[in-house]
Amino acid sequence: DAKTTQPNSMESNEEEPVHLPCNHSTISGTDYIHWYRQLPSQGPEYVIHGLTSNVNNRMASLAIAEDRKSSTLILHRATLRDAAVYYCILRVKGSGGGADGLTFGKGTHLIIQP
Amino acid sequence: EAQVTQNPRYLITVTGKKLTVTCSQNMNHEYMSWYRQDPGLGLRQIYYSMNVEVTDKGDVPEGYKVSRKEKRNFPLILESPSPNQTSLYFCASTKRVGLAGAETQYFGPGTRLLVL
Repeated sequence: DAKTTQPNSMESNEEEPVHLPCNHSTISGTDYIHWYRQLPSQGPEYVIHGLTSNVNNRMASLAIAEDRKSSTLILHRATLRDAAVYYCILRVKGSGGGADGLTFGKGTHLIIQP
Repeated sequence: EAQVTQNPRYLITVTGKKLTVTCSQNMNHEYMSWYRQDPGLGLRQIYYSMNVEVTDKGDVPEGYKVSRKEKRNFPLILESPSPNQTSLYFCASTKRVGLAGAETQYFGPGTRLLVL
C-alpha cells in the first residue's frame, strides 16, 4: 500500500470542527482512502472511506482533493469522546481479497480541550 | 449487537507455557485477522484467514499458530510464548464485498499479554 503522511498531533476545542489532514502524494488511481481511529484502550474503529468523491457518514466527512494527493477528515463538532489516534490508510482497489492487513502508520493524536 | 469478542482481555503467563487467545465474530464475515500492537511499531498483521480452513501468514507470523475450523472463530495459539511476544493483540473481521479494497475491518477490544 502507498505511504501516507499525517501530523503527529493536533489539538482542538470541544464543539468546534476539526480538520485532520493526510498527504498521499504517491496514491494511484485505484487506491481507496480509509480512515480509522483508535480510542484509548480500545481496538481501532472504522470511520470512513472514499475513492474520488467526498463522502459523508454519521461520524465524519471525508474531503478528497481533486488530484487525490491529499485528503481531510472532518469532524463537524468534536466532543471529548473524539479524542483518539486517527489513521489515514490507503487500500488498493482489488487488492488481497480484503483479508490482507491494513498498514497503520503513526497516525495523528487528536487532543480535545473542554 | 454486531461485534468481535476476544478472551481473555488480560493475561500474564510464563515463558514456554502454551496459551490460546480466542476470537469470535457474530457478523458472518468471511475474513478474519490477528494483529499485534507495540509502541513505536504500530499494528502489524500476524495471520489472516479468508475463509474456513484457509489461513495465511501476515507480516509477523513467527511463534504463532492459528486455525479456522468454523466461520465465526479464529483462535490465536502461542505454543511456546517468549517475552518478545508481550504485546497488545487485536482480532479483526471483514465482510467480503464486491469492490475489494473498499472493505472495512471490525476490531475486537484487544488482549494484553505479558510473558515473563
